[in-house]
Amino acid sequence: NAGVMQNPRHLVRRRGQEARLRCSPMKGHSHVYWYRQLPEEGLKFMVYLQKENIIDESGMPKERFSAEFPKEGPSILRIQQVVRGDSAAYFCASSPPVGGTQYFGPGTRLTVL
Amino acid sequence: TQLLEQSPQFLSIQEGENLTVYCNSSSVFSSLQWYRQEPGEGPVLLVTVVTGGEVKKLKRLTFQFGDARKDSSLHITAAQPGDTGLYLCAGALGGTSYGKLTFGQGTILTVHP
Repeated sequence: NAGVMQNPRHLVRRRGQEARLRCSPMKGHSHVYWYRQLPEEGLKFMVYLQKENIIDESGMPKERFSAEFPKEGPSILRIQQVVRGDSAAYFCASSPPVGGTQYFGPGTRLTVL
Repeated sequence: TQLLEQSPQFLSIQEGENLTVYCNSSSVFSSLQWYRQEPGEGPVLLVTVVTGGEVKKLKRLTFQFGDARKDSSLHITAAQPGDTGLYLCAGALGGTSYGKLTFGQGTILTVHP
């Protein structure tokens, strides 16, 4: 049973470009969560989604960041006009019913030059 | 302010020693999870505790959830070099924050042969 898949594992972007991070949840999981881990900091919640719905985006920066989890396909975290401060590891987790244990993917390491 | 205080931040011990990592909060959690994270990888779930006073054992690891569900501890007996890694506690508050995990800062454990 495959775990949570994230791609790409590493992403390099220049300032002002767009970054698209993908997450495929574990089979049977319909809830997806995105977290960010900045250098020397802990994991911080960004957004919680179910299929076609954003449930909680209280941790998302108000500008440039967006997330979606379409009916078909992976969840996407999109960062527009990236800045150096966006450089971080971005982790996706999935769970079955709400409140269920969250299982994490290997992460995408974003580097903004 | 950090909602979940994890201590110690760093722990360096010799093989065979015992150790305890603490996770404390003034908030009540509906559940608490412990993860271990290797460099360049995502957090891997060790255990979930949901009932106040609950104790769970995983080989040489013992996890305890406080009676009031505000704190937790991880105790490792006879540590081995293979236990080296970053240990993270993460709590789910429930209610309107359902689905959102709050992480402690992490404990970097190094076990010397």
